[in-house]
Amino acid sequence: DQQVKQNSPSLSVQEGRISILNCDYTNSMFDYFLWYKKYPAEGPTFLISISSIKDKNEDGRFTVFLNKSAKHLSLHIVPSQPGDSAVYFCAASGDPDSWGKLQFGAGTQVVVTP
Amino acid sequence: EADIYQTPRYLVIGTGKKITLECSQTMGHDKMYWYQQDPGMELHLIHYSYGVNSTEKGDLSSESTVSRIRTEHFPLTLESARPSHTSQYLCASSESLSHEQYFGPGTRLTVT
Repeated sequence: DQQVKQNSPSLSVQEGRISILNCDYTNSMFDYFLWYKKYPAEGPTFLISISSIKDKNEDGRFTVFLNKSAKHLSLHIVPSQPGDSAVYFCAASGDPDSWGKLQFGAGTQVVVTP
Repeated sequence: EADIYQTPRYLVIGTGKKITLECSQTMGHDKMYWYQQDPGMELHLIHYSYGVNSTEKGDLSSESTVSRIRTEHFPLTLESARPSHTSQYLCASSESLSHEQYFGPGTRLTVT
């Protein structure tokens, strides 16, 4: 049973515009959320995270929003750059039965066009 | 900057061979993880360890085994490789009280 879902497998955006990636989760025990970026033939790299006590976290061009009541989070990248073309994974943690382990979504492939 | 290494990066091997995928980290992290990932799919946790001599199976059933004799080293072994084992294997580590995991570059395994 997939507890973290990224329903958009791909996203194409023009350079300079905003990229919005969405993620939904089903387990109400999750209290920490992370976004990872992955280039082909490389491992995922940590991008940004948010704790459930917050509804927004910002780091440069990257902002993550959390809506706990809707069990939804989103990653905004603005402005988008060609180097942002990668697969982005949403991950969640916090279920006491699996402390420290992350549940990942299937990823969204972002392509930034000139 | 995370320092976690995996070898080999790519491996093509025949059915029935025994293989060991190496993973090492120099950060002194207690927690280490192995994930399996196929294209377009989520990362599935297959093994994890919370410290030396501690190993547990993950959420996805796997025929592989792991060992944790030293803090920095977490190898994964397949006794008899099969085509169904073809996948990317990712190793990660994290500090004891942190949610953030650092990933190695992965091993792309192809079993023919």
